[in-house]
Parts: sequence; C-alpha cells; structure tokens
Amino acid sequence: DGGITQSPKYLFRKEGQNVTLSCEQNLNHDAMYWYRQDPGQGLRLIYYSQIVNDFQKGDIAEGYSVSREKKESFPLTVTSAQKNPTAFYLCASRAIGQGDQPQHFGDGTRLSIL
Amino acid sequence: QKEVEQDPGPLSVPEGAIVSLNCTYSNSAFQYFMWYRQYSRKGPELLMYTYSSGNKEDGRFTAQVDKSSKYISLFIRDSQPSDSATYLCAMSPTNTGNQFYFGTGTSLTVIP
Repeated sequence: DGGITQSPKYLFRKEGQNVTLSCEQNLNHDAMYWYRQDPGQGLRLIYYSQIVNDFQKGDIAEGYSVSREKKESFPLTVTSAQKNPTAFYLCASRAIGQGDQPQHFGDGTRLSIL
Repeated sequence: QKEVEQDPGPLSVPEGAIVSLNCTYSNSAFQYFMWYRQYSRKGPELLMYTYSSGNKEDGRFTAQVDKSSKYISLFIRDSQPSDSATYLCAMSPTNTGNQFYFGTGTSLTVIP
C-alpha cells in the first residue's frame, strides 16, 4: 500500500526537550512538507523540501528543524526553542515535474507538553 | 484579511440531504483548488482537485469554481453519516510552487 506514514501518533514533550517526528513515504514523491494544525486555524507551513539534502523554511519555521537525507524520509525536530509546540503536526508529499499534482497527507502526530 | 475564508460551522444535516460547503478567497492569482476531508484525529484526505473555473464531478461530490466571484463550493449529494467530518478547502496560484493556502475547515455532521 502506497502512502505516507507518520509516527508516533501521540508524543509528549518535557520542558527543555527536543523531540523528533517521523515521516516516511513510499509514493516516490520528490516534494515533502510539514504543517502545523491548530484549532480554528488553517494549516501553516513549517518546512518543505523538493529534493534530497535541500529544504526551505515555511511561514513558521522558528523553533523547528528538518533534514532530508533520503527521498522517502523527512523528519521534523521540535526544539526547546519552540515555546508553544502543542499542536497536530501533518506531513504531506506530492509529485513534482509531472504536471499539476496536489498534496497527500499522513495521519498526523499529536504533540503535547508534559 | 485572510487569503482564504471558510465558515467553520458546525453544519448539521439529515441523511440524504444535499450539502453545500463554500470558501471565498482574495488572491485572484489562485488557479488550483482542492477539497480535503478530515476525520477526527486523522490527516486530510484529498477529495477533489480542480483547475480554473467550472465544475468537476466525482460520484456524489461536485466541486465548483467561480473565479469571477472568487468563490469555490463543494456539493455532496445524498449525504451519508460517513460523510461526517471536517472539510478543508485549499488553493494555490501555480502547480509548480510550494505555497498552498488552506481554509480553517467546516465541520459537518450527517444525522441518520
């Protein structure tokens, strides 16, 4: 089954701790994205990557970091600098260079503060 | 003003009703329009993807784009309890960029 797998589904962070959210896709998509979803707000872009070893900041990148060492993987680290990390985090991917292709999403990771 | 406006609802309808979900936008450059369905504690699932103005139908779902009014709609015919979810609209000015603009979502409940 092709798709996007996010893990874990639920994650708890202590004060001062960095946590990493996993996102893996087997769709052979080049572009991958991280969004944050808060109640009453639209999805906000954190980071995106169009190619291995390259990524760009989105609208709310402060306090987050990413890496793209493999095409299928795009982990997100929520650092201790992110003061309000409680949210639902969504990873997405899409094919590029093949005409118009929309984003497809994983099932998200809910991050809470202990 | 937000780029994309979407009434959050909640919207409650009886089973079998026709549902109309809407978004308005301010950026006339938007050309690509998407509708996603999101069940509770799940990620958004792509329902419809349209380019420019006009209608697109897929089963019980019809997506409509009116660029002159900067208004898009999703119609659901013969609504089912399984359609109960939050519906997100999204749009983009190009098919090659990485900026997608999302509505806040409309919560729909279909009552059996």
